[in-house]
Amino acid sequence: DIVMTQSPDSLTMSLGERATINCRSSQSVLHSSYNKEYLAWYQQKPGQPLKLLIYWASTRESGVPERFSGSGSGTDFTLTISSLQAEDVAVYYCQQYCSDLPTFGQGTKVQIK
Amino acid sequence: EVQLVESGGGLVQPGGSLRLSCAASGFTNSWMHWVRQAPGKGLVWVSRINGDGSSTAYADSVKGRFTISRDNAKNTVYLQMNSLRADDTAVYYCAREGRATVTLTTRAFDIWGQGTKVTVSS
Repeated sequence: DIVMTQSPDSLTMSLGERATINCRSSQSVLHSSYNKEYLAWYQQKPGQPLKLLIYWASTRESGVPERFSGSGSGTDFTLTISSLQAEDVAVYYCQQYCSDLPTFGQGTKVQIK
Repeated sequence: EVQLVESGGGLVQPGGSLRLSCAASGFTNSWMHWVRQAPGKGLVWVSRINGDGSSTAYADSVKGRFTISRDNAKNTVYLQMNSLRADDTAVYYCAREGRATVTLTTRAFDIWGQGTKVTVSS
């Protein structure tokens, strides 16, 4: 199985600051047939369904605020929140689905200072 | 409205069985997945089924004990869970695999349900 490792485990930032979450995979998540990085980012808030933020490593899902962006390739990926808002307090997960068995990172908890 | 609603969770003794349901509305025949989350832990993929039910896949931890199926006439996906163990205790979510075009999957889960809680305990 492809192992996904996120860093840091938690992040405490001030409103308006830039927040960066890293995700590393144990092997490449590039699907060569489609030339797509099968790496997604999700946001989990208590009492709400999980929300897809980013897919194909950098494509923002419809309706997701522009302050959320994804980057990276191969085995190293980043989710950036350009200006942290109060409503961004949540746990964020990366996920690969390049192999036939999807796997998630352990999650990064984002809090406001 | 596009949504998923899970049901069927509850308290069951070790070795027992439960069948979870995931009712979809607003779309049909998508590839569907089950993902679980143990208390205070992260997300773990469990199983998936393709649009017509002819292809399935399972995590090693549930292979041989869980069975995913679907009834497209009812627009519902099921997860039959047998030989349940304490470490199966979790909230179980169903999720839809998204598509960028008719033929190209995003390989991401774009719609999630609220989850149904399963507790395995004596």
